[in-house]
Amino acid sequence: DAKTTQPTSMDCAEGRAANLPCNHSTISGNEYVYWYRQIHSQGPQYIIHGLKNNETNEMASLIITEDRKSSTLILPHATLRDTAVYYCNSNTNAGKSTFGDGTTLTVKP
Amino acid sequence: DGGITQSPKYLFRKEGQNVTLSCEQNLNHDAMYWYRQDPGQGLRLIYYSQIVNDFQKGDIAEGYSVSREKKESFPLTVTSAQKNPTAFYLCASSIIDGSYEQYFGPGTRLTVT
Repeated sequence: DAKTTQPTSMDCAEGRAANLPCNHSTISGNEYVYWYRQIHSQGPQYIIHGLKNNETNEMASLIITEDRKSSTLILPHATLRDTAVYYCNSNTNAGKSTFGDGTTLTVKP
Repeated sequence: DGGITQSPKYLFRKEGQNVTLSCEQNLNHDAMYWYRQDPGQGLRLIYYSQIVNDFQKGDIAEGYSVSREKKESFPLTVTSAQKNPTAFYLCASSIIDGSYEQYFGPGTRLTVT
């Protein structure tokens, strides 16, 4: 299971894109990268995941580098409700799951 | 309405008592997980289970025990051997065939005094 590292905090202006990086340099070939977010005192919510290719859904986009050592979660038009802690996670075949310490994103008006 | 339920939301215990936290899911997921979260910190894996009657230790299993007698249920017991049991406990589940995104319950906040 890969160890993930993320910046402790980031700010973003409302309406602008928020780009949240994650380093997972020890990730193995069959480990997916997942992103979750947690609003205070609630359970984390799944956002998006990927293995090798970039991914997009209605919530966000995920860019994974070609060497798979890092990834970036992109919230294209951040709103005040996107203020949360964002976690990068790796998981091999629903086995041992590793979360980083997360990035606290603050979206400012 | 499918999802994961954890009960109770808040739990208070005296030091030296064992306490069991409930986690139930009706998503028909095979895998279930328990995490511990301390204030201002990330999630740390306590135990996980991929199939009924089988489970594995996570990174911080000491002082905890689990059982998986039914697919829907994965209770966590915090024993008196756990030195710092006060924390926010999160349960999650996922499928094991395909993508493994986890769905989390609302959590139980345990306070031991």
